[in-house]
This record gives sequence, C-alpha cells and structure tokens, in this order.
Amino acid sequence: NAGVMQNPRHLVRRRGQEARLRCSPMKGHSHVYWYRQLPEEGLKFMVYLQKENIIDESGMPKERFSAEFPKEGPSILRIQQVVRGDSAAYFCASSQMSNEQFFGPGTRLTVL
Amino acid sequence: AQSVTQLGSHVSVSEGALVLLRCNYSSSVPPYLFWYVQYPNQGLQLLLKYTTGATLVKGINGFEAEFKKSETSFHLTKPSAHMSDAAEYFCAVSDQNYGGSQGNLIFGKGTKLSVKP
Repeated sequence: NAGVMQNPRHLVRRRGQEARLRCSPMKGHSHVYWYRQLPEEGLKFMVYLQKENIIDESGMPKERFSAEFPKEGPSILRIQQVVRGDSAAYFCASSQMSNEQFFGPGTRLTVL
Repeated sequence: AQSVTQLGSHVSVSEGALVLLRCNYSSSVPPYLFWYVQYPNQGLQLLLKYTTGATLVKGINGFEAEFKKSETSFHLTKPSAHMSDAAEYFCAVSDQNYGGSQGNLIFGKGTKLSVKP
C-alpha cells in the first residue's frame, strides 16, 4: 500500500514563475491537507480539501496561492508569480474520516 | 485559538540517557494531541497520539507521552536514547471543528534531538 506521494521532491523556480506541487493521497483517503514549513519553523496549515471541495483555506495566503483536489487525479497546490519568500518545504497529508494524517515526503521549493 | 509551545529548540542527550521533550498546549476544546518525528529531508511520521481515554500513551520506537490536563502538557519521553533517535520532533494539537474528522494540525516549532555516543 503506497504512502502519500508528492512530486516533484525538489522544485526550483525563478521569481515570477509558477510552481505546481502535486500530492497523491493514500489509497482510500479522501481528505487532503497542505502544510508549509519555513526554515527553523514548524509546519503551518494552509488548506484542507475533500474531493472537489475546499473545506478550510484559512491558512492560505489570499493572493497567488490556490489548491484543488479534483474527482480524478492528485491534489494540486499552485503558486503563481513566486517570490523568494515562498521558498519552503510544502507537505501534503491525507486521511480518512477521524483517522490520523499520513504525511508525504514533501516538495522543497527554492525560488531564485 | 489553539496553540502549541515546545520548550527548547535543541536538546542533547547521551546514548542511554532519558529523553524528555516538552510540549504545552492551549485549547478551548478537549484536545487531540500528537507527536511527530521528522528525519532530515523526509516527511513527518506519527510517533503517538492522544484522543480520549488513558492519559499515558505509548508509541513507536519506545516513546511515550502523558496527557496532563491540569498542566496543559503532553511531554514526550523515552527511557534510553539511541543514536537513531536523533531527529526533529514536533508536538501538534488538532482543531476538531470538522464534525468528527481530525481537522488541521497546529504544530509547535519543533525540538531537534541530538544523541551523543
């Protein structure tokens, strides 16, 4: 049973480009969470999605960031017009109702 | 609002010594509490969790934690440290506002554990 998959593992973008981060939840999981980890910081919640629905996006910056979890395919975290401050590790977690969140290995985004 | 405070960003112990990593939380609702471990360049792995019931929780790799409501604490302990325990440890509390689902996790800033031979 494969765990949570994230790709790419490392992503380098120049300022102003777009970054797309993908997350495939564990089989049978319909809840996906995105977290951001800045250097020397803990993980900060960004957004919680179920299939085709955003449940809670209270941690998502209001501009340039968006997330989706379509009926088919992985969840996507999209960052438009990246800036140096977006450099961080982005972690996805998945769960089924009332169960623990399983984390993926993360995508490390570097903005040059 | 919920929050988590981890005392000590770095803890160093000798191999075989007691490991104690401190975590205090604040929550307006009965909390769900978690400890995760993160090895370099990897994702987080759940060590243990408290939801309801017994306040002393045993986890993987010989770790355990005790929920103390009166002290709003959930400290992580291990009687004897191994070199392989060197990692970063995160305490987290769950926001339970989703009708039964776990909700998003609120993390502390982490404690890096070093184990000396």
